[in-house]
Amino acid sequence: LAKTTQPISMDSYEGQEVNITCSHNNIATNDYITWYQQFPSQGPRFIIQGYKTKVTNEVASLFIPADRKSSTLSLPRVSLSDTAVYYCLVGDSNSGAGSYQLTFGKGTKLSVIP
Amino acid sequence: DAGVTQSPTHLIKTRGQQVTLRCSPKSGHDTVSWYQQALGQGPQFIFQYYEEEERQRGNFPDRFSGHQFPNYSSELNVNALLLGDSALYLCASSLEAGTLYEQYFGPGTRLTVT
Repeated sequence: LAKTTQPISMDSYEGQEVNITCSHNNIATNDYITWYQQFPSQGPRFIIQGYKTKVTNEVASLFIPADRKSSTLSLPRVSLSDTAVYYCLVGDSNSGAGSYQLTFGKGTKLSVIP
Repeated sequence: DAGVTQSPTHLIKTRGQQVTLRCSPKSGHDTVSWYQQALGQGPQFIFQYYEEEERQRGNFPDRFSGHQFPNYSSELNVNALLLGDSALYLCASSLEAGTLYEQYFGPGTRLTVT
């Protein structure tokens, strides 16, 4: 499994765009990049997943450069409720879909300031 | 549509005792995974059940065992509890044929071993 590196923490003011970058230098050809969000005393929640270029959903965008050795989660106009820990995960698609063993690092603790 | 539910919410046990935690997956899901999350750390994969069998296992001792029932619900059993077993135990459900890496987590069971 490819190892990921993320900043331990980040601060942002309300209304700003937040970009969290994850490094995964050893990413393999079959690997996908997935981001989860976790609020205190809750289980993680799937945010977004991508393989290359850019993916956007109603919550966030995921930017993946051509070499795929890093990825950036972008949260537009954050609010206080976006204060959480964000995890970047990298893994391959060879296991059965939905059966993947998620490997979490320590994540990035985002604090949104009023 | 009920999401993933876990019981109990909190539990206090003494060293050497045994504990059973329970999980009901999201409606329609057939795969259940268990994770242990120590304070300040990301969740660590314990094992995964599909079709009532343990399909994958993380780096946890045999003191950790589980079961999946025909209705897809699951139990996590931990024997001979150690102080280091104190953690948040998370259950996640998914569809074997579902979206890659998208797992739905429950709120967790907070286990304290004294």
